[in-house]
Amino acid sequence: AQSVTQLDSQVPVFEEAPVELRCNYSSSVSVYLFWYVQYPNQGLQLLLKYLSGSTLVKGINGFEAEFNKSQTSFHLRKPSVHISDTAEYFCAVRGYGGSQGNLIFGKGTKLSVKP
Amino acid sequence: ETGVTQTPRHLVMGMTNKKSLKCEQHLGHNAMYWYKQSAKKPLELMFVYSLEERVENNSVPSRFSPECPNSSHLFLHLHTLQPEDSALYLCASSPIRGPGGELFFGEGSRLTVL
Repeated sequence: AQSVTQLDSQVPVFEEAPVELRCNYSSSVSVYLFWYVQYPNQGLQLLLKYLSGSTLVKGINGFEAEFNKSQTSFHLRKPSVHISDTAEYFCAVRGYGGSQGNLIFGKGTKLSVKP
Repeated sequence: ETGVTQTPRHLVMGMTNKKSLKCEQHLGHNAMYWYKQSAKKPLELMFVYSLEERVENNSVPSRFSPECPNSSHLFLHLHTLQPEDSALYLCASSPIRGPGGELFFGEGSRLTVL
């Protein structure tokens, strides 16, 4: 089975500052990793995903994440945030095959961008 | 319409009512999911349908009853719910159920049980 830990429940940051949202996972099998974003009163939207290959993954809206297998982490970063990035961000993991193929989510991190 | 559409967006019901949530996807996907999103808790996977067959039921109480009449539609029938069932219910679909399959979510149905 897999599990996901998002270390920060809330992250306040000023506009144009850099941000990192942390995600650690545990799994007994190889995994695929995802970041989703949820804007107020909306469903979840995929930001980026790591399936294989380069450990640095670029997504929409200027976000990127780096897969670190030794540290079992998949932290999300953006060099300069905007007010419109205010949302809740979810890290998710999916193991290989069978019931391990279901997507398991973390509890989410609320990013609040202030002017 | 495109994507995943959920209706109603908001629902208030008493504990003795019977209601249904509807999900429709226009993406040609083969798998559909129900998730429950409660405050301060991770998203909980409730049911998974693959090619209209229920392939997973994560110990969900029987007061929640899913139905998948075809690959484009998914329902969640609700009866004799409890106040703790109040939550945002999210429907999602994916092109494949296997690894790497990205989920596409609807905007959710906000349920309040009085």
